[in-house]
Amino acid sequence: QVQLVQSGAEVKKPGASVKVSCKVSGSTLTELSMHWVRQTPGKGLEWMGGFDPEDGETIYAQKFQGRVTMTEDTSTDIAYMELSSLRSEDTAVYYCATKPTFQPLYYFDFWGQGTLVTVSS
Amino acid sequence: DIQMTQSPSSLSASVGDRVTITCQASQDITTFLNWYQQKPGKAPKVLIYDASNLRPGVPSRFSGSGSGTDFTLTISSLQPEDIATYYCQQYDSLYTFGQGTKLEIK
Repeated sequence: QVQLVQSGAEVKKPGASVKVSCKVSGSTLTELSMHWVRQTPGKGLEWMGGFDPEDGETIYAQKFQGRVTMTEDTSTDIAYMELSSLRSEDTAVYYCATKPTFQPLYYFDFWGQGTLVTVSS
Repeated sequence: DIQMTQSPSSLSASVGDRVTITCQASQDITTFLNWYQQKPGKAPKVLIYDASNLRPGVPSRFSGSGSGTDFTLTISSLQPEDIATYYCQQYDSLYTFGQGTKLEIK
């Protein structure tokens, strides 16, 4: 059973960056397709991007391109999501979530507990 | 981008009621649609995939139907533990979620 444990809540000022981590257990990052989804009161659930091991590429939602970077450290099985140039609208709970790999299944089956990022001056 | 519109945004029903939530896509997505349940303070949990396939372990009172642009999630007999917010999600072109339907007990 895959388990995803995320880093703790963050408070950031507008213009700053935040880096959220997601530790994998029960599997390894090389076997997973890791994605990031955020949840805001105003816009609900938003897919931010993710890694597809079938082609080895990370795809970002157009809305976040240029501001988000998703990386993976396979030696520690920790995934990271960094969002820069933060604004108040980025206040949200950020989730890491995995998609089944090498199967024609396109849902997110395992989720982290969520990390609250608050952007406030 | 494909937009997903759910209705209603909130719904109040009694235990034992049949409950229906609809989701409309802004363009044809064939059956590339999933349904999630989210309880307060928890991450979403996938219930239905490919529009009508029940994930193992999900109670059989949940069912999904539809294709093209119009989809439905049905709970055949509402139980107290079904109180949650429900989201549809398309994967025809990347991933987009509906805005959610909050289900409450009357």
